[in-house]
Amino acid sequence: NAGVTQTPKFRILKIGQSMTLQCAQDMNHNYMYWYRQDPGMGLKLIYYSVGAGITDKGEVPNGYNVSRSTTEDFPLRLELAAPSQTSVYFCASTAVGDTHYFGPGTRLTVL
Amino acid sequence: GDSVTQMEGPVTLSEEAFLTINCTYTATGYPSLFWYVQYPGEGLQLLLKATKADDKGSNKGFEATYRKETTSFHLEKGSVQVSDSAVYFCALSAGGTSYGKLTFGQGTILTVHP
Repeated sequence: NAGVTQTPKFRILKIGQSMTLQCAQDMNHNYMYWYRQDPGMGLKLIYYSVGAGITDKGEVPNGYNVSRSTTEDFPLRLELAAPSQTSVYFCASTAVGDTHYFGPGTRLTVL
Repeated sequence: GDSVTQMEGPVTLSEEAFLTINCTYTATGYPSLFWYVQYPGEGLQLLLKATKADDKGSNKGFEATYRKETTSFHLEKGSVQVSDSAVYFCALSAGGTSYGKLTFGQGTILTVHP
């Protein structure tokens, strides 16, 4: 049981480049989330999903897109990377009303 | 909207000192309350939780009591260890149609010296 896995762990992008952050969970959780963590700011919700094929915006969705074709996977797509997207990104999953399980994070720098 | 406010940090203590990290919240209805801990270079993991008023969550010597009258969920530990050095996040989940989404405080960095 690997829990929540994220790839890559680190990435440096140039302004305007695109990339996909991968997230997978093996706990059969319906609910999955993407958060970003900025220094001294706590975590902000980017997007979330309540099941395969269902996604919705969180607090800070601009510049990101998601898809959820399977229960296990919830990739986050960055289009046209900007310096403001420099952050640490965490994927999480949960069974409704229960504990969030977080991945180890992806540290992204946009130069 | 929902919000969580944590005490300003960072907090620096000597080993075996008493720890309090304050957390207050604003939410409609009856949220569930959580403390998550983030050790250096790792993701967040649940430390403790409480789902209704007057509940006390506890784990690894840490405790927090859900106080609806003061909208607070302060984290306490009687004797901290160097291994407790980490970032601590207070969070709430509003329930209902929130779909389990968490609203986080800004985090408090705790450093414990030998």
